[in-house]
Amino acid sequence: EAQVTQNPRYLITVTGKKLTVTCSQNMNHEYMSWYRQDPGLGLRQIYYSMNVEVTDKGDVPEGYKVSRKEKRNFPLILESPSPNQTSLYFCASSLSPSGRYPSTDTQYFGPGTRLTVL
Amino acid sequence: SQQGEEDPQALSIQEGENATMNCSYKTSINNLQWYRQNSGRGLVHLILIRSNEREKHSGRLRVTLDTSKKSSSLLITASRAADTASYFCATVPNTGANSKLTFGKGITLSVRP
Repeated sequence: EAQVTQNPRYLITVTGKKLTVTCSQNMNHEYMSWYRQDPGLGLRQIYYSMNVEVTDKGDVPEGYKVSRKEKRNFPLILESPSPNQTSLYFCASSLSPSGRYPSTDTQYFGPGTRLTVL
Repeated sequence: SQQGEEDPQALSIQEGENATMNCSYKTSINNLQWYRQNSGRGLVHLILIRSNEREKHSGRLRVTLDTSKKSSSLLITASRAADTASYFCATVPNTGANSKLTFGKGITLSVRP
């Protein structure tokens, strides 16, 4: 089954304790992206990756790191989490970068990771 | 930065009625997409309409795009209680290959049985 998986689904942690949220897709997609969703703010892009070893900042990258060593995986790293990073996080992937192949710009979303930083 | 803005923010209708949701955007787009999100879950792609298209249908969904007014509408006909969800429009700006999807804040649709 074509899907995007995220782990963990729920995480409660404390300020400053490094954590990684994993994201994996089995659709051979080039483009992967991380979003955070907060009440009243909608979805905001954190980082995106056009392909292996190619990553770039989205709208709210501060406090986050990513890596793309393999096509299928795109982990989100919080080196020193803070309470303002409490949010619902979504990973998404699409076959190709938005705008290049309009017919394939559909993004497939993972189920979400609810993170609470105390 | 938010590009698409949905209207209304919340909509409550009776089962069987039609639901119309609107989205406005500011800059030239390559395409516009609508997504649905059930409470606390991931977004699901509903429909994509390109800048050179005016209308698309998918089952009970009808999407229109008016590039002169920079607006789109999503119509759900004969709504069902299961259509209760949040709906987001997302735009891809017409600024080259690295352009990205930008989401609005969403519309909460409640369909009363």
